[in-house]
Amino acid sequence: SQTIHQWPATLVQPVGSPLSLECTVEGTSNPNLYWYRQAAGRGLQLLFYSVGIGQISSEVPQNLSASRPQDRQFILSSKKLLLSDSGFYLCAWDRGGISYEQYFGPGTRLTVT
Amino acid sequence: AQSVTQPDIHITVSEGASLELRCNYSYGATPYLFWYVQSPGQGLQLLLKYFSGDTLVQGIKGFEAEFKRSQSSFNLRKPSVHWSDAAEYFCAVGAKGIYSTLTFGKGTMLLVSP
Repeated sequence: SQTIHQWPATLVQPVGSPLSLECTVEGTSNPNLYWYRQAAGRGLQLLFYSVGIGQISSEVPQNLSASRPQDRQFILSSKKLLLSDSGFYLCAWDRGGISYEQYFGPGTRLTVT
Repeated sequence: AQSVTQPDIHITVSEGASLELRCNYSYGATPYLFWYVQSPGQGLQLLLKYFSGDTLVQGIKGFEAEFKRSQSSFNLRKPSVHWSDAAEYFCAVGAKGIYSTLTFGKGTMLLVSP
């Protein structure tokens, strides 16, 4: 069966510090991978998605970036965090190809102070 | 481009009562439709999906949803709500036949009163 992991589960970082969130998927190959952010009352905001290694599409311009160094690894980064980067970050995957249902990781709660 | 509207931000239902959460979508062709549930501090869990065929789909935890093309709706229902159903519910739409990302509604928070 497939599983998706995210770490860390919670993170408190000062403004201006760097960020690295990691997501890995097990039990599948060539998945599409997604990063979402949830802010209170705003639903899910798609940040990045990737259909293959090294292929990253950005949905929202911001100070965040994403990378996919391996088939089942997706990393969300920032060089300098802003207060507005606080939120709940979710990674998700689907089987690839045309639209399939997405499966979500447990999320990372980021608080920027 | 597709869009999803969940008109109810919050809904309160008594335990044991029936539930219907509304979802309207906008998409020019036949969509893929999904309902997800999220408990506080957790990721989203897929409740059910509609791809094609029978317009009434059954999901996990006793939920069902009905696709109505004429109304562009995909409402989620449950005949008897349990206190453990209290959570946030998201409707999502995807494009059938071509690759696209899913579009999510802003969610409906379900509160269950004793």
